Amino acid sequence: DADVTQTPRNRITKTGKRIMLECSQTKGHDRMYWYRQDPGLGLRLIYYSFDVKDINKGEISDGYSVSRQAQAKFSLSLESAIPNQTALYFCATSGDGPYEQYFGPGTRLTVT
Amino acid sequence: DQQVKQNSPSLSVQEGRISILNCDYTNSMFDYFLWYKKYPAEGPTFLISISSIKDKNEDGRFTVFLNKSAKHLSLHIVPSQPGDSAVYFCAASEYGGTSYGKLTFGQGTILTVHP
Repeated sequence: DADVTQTPRNRITKTGKRIMLECSQTKGHDRMYWYRQDPGLGLRLIYYSFDVKDINKGEISDGYSVSRQAQAKFSLSLESAIPNQTALYFCATSGDGPYEQYFGPGTRLTVT
Repeated sequence: DQQVKQNSPSLSVQEGRISILNCDYTNSMFDYFLWYKKYPAEGPTFLISISSIKDKNEDGRFTVFLNKSAKHLSLHIVPSQPGDSAVYFCAASEYGGTSYGKLTFGQGTILTVHP
């Protein structure tokens, strides 16, 4: 089984709808992250959490919110989706320190 | 403000030859650097890393070089194989402070290795 899972894998939604992307990990890490990938822009950090009680904004948090339900679960919400939030979304997890992060398979979100 | 830049969107090489992927950074506080590989429909996977106290790290066919004075790092793949065809991201991290553990990624370079 994969260490980091994301649901759904693909989602098409309409402008103005609320949507939640979910992430679970079995690596036992405290740190979790949400990124979005856009062509030509690489991976940009949306939110990150260094433990269950710690939530921090990344470089592009506007229009998004997160919830850290448990050490293993970190959800990303779009309260009112807009077309420029169409992107590939990745969840990641890591141990303490500036070390490698382990990524989920991604969620392809399309907002029409 | 793009703190980590990969200026080559794509690179094409012949199987068996060397692939060199480049990355530049502007933040002098970065002191740990990583390369990730990404195949279509999959998440990025860690490839190799280097600390700022070193100028070279090698792992099999993959070698990362760091030039701190130039704020430049490169990934060498020798020999290149068709299975290496993927998007390669470089990433950087600061040690300590409020950014500790966060990664800043470049835009990615699409590597195509032709048989």
